[in-house]
Amino acid sequence: EAGVTQSPRYAVLQEGQAVSFWCDPISGHDTLYWYQQPRDQGPQLLVYFRDEAVIDNSQLPSDRFSAVRPKGTNSTLKIQSAKQGDTATYLCASSSGTGYGQLYFGEGSKLTVL
Amino acid sequence: GDSVTQTEGQVTVSESKSLIINCTYSTTSIAYPNLFWYVRYPGEGLQLLLKVITAGQKGSSRGFEATYNKETTSFHLQKASVQESDSAVYYCALGYTNTGKLTFGDGTVLTVKP
Repeated sequence: EAGVTQSPRYAVLQEGQAVSFWCDPISGHDTLYWYQQPRDQGPQLLVYFRDEAVIDNSQLPSDRFSAVRPKGTNSTLKIQSAKQGDTATYLCASSSGTGYGQLYFGEGSKLTVL
Repeated sequence: GDSVTQTEGQVTVSESKSLIINCTYSTTSIAYPNLFWYVRYPGEGLQLLLKVITAGQKGSSRGFEATYNKETTSFHLQKASVQESDSAVYYCALGYTNTGKLTFGDGTVLTVKP
């Protein structure tokens, strides 16, 4: 069974540029999460979906960040006008239902904003 | 809100010695949270090590164990005899049954010396 796949693995931007991260969850998993993990910190939830619906995006900086999951499968996280403070690893995870907290994580996309 | 505290950012232990990694949590919810230990081995994605969803119970996996103590709001991770292959970053986390989203600690880097 294929795991959670993320791309790109690395991105380096100048401030003000945009970037998109893509996630392919485990087949059949209806719940998908995006976490932001700054260096030397734990993952922090940005947004999560059940199928195509956003369940919680309260921690997503809505002025520059957006996330979609149009068909309830793959998802894209976009950052417009990136700032140095966005430097972090962006983790995608999936689960079947709530999974009782058992999330399956991808390897992450590491973003550096210069 | 919820928070998880791991007091040690880095721990170094000699092979075959015992290990304890401390974790305490705080929550404003009237419900008892579910508690987890996740681990990231070098070159791999974050993965579940063990979970306990009932206060007072103990979880175990791969020789590690942790007991859910609601009186001290702690969930310390222990192992009697570590191996070099246990070198990894360990994250304590909490969540709730009705939602899959997790709150993570900042992680503890474990280095096991041969």
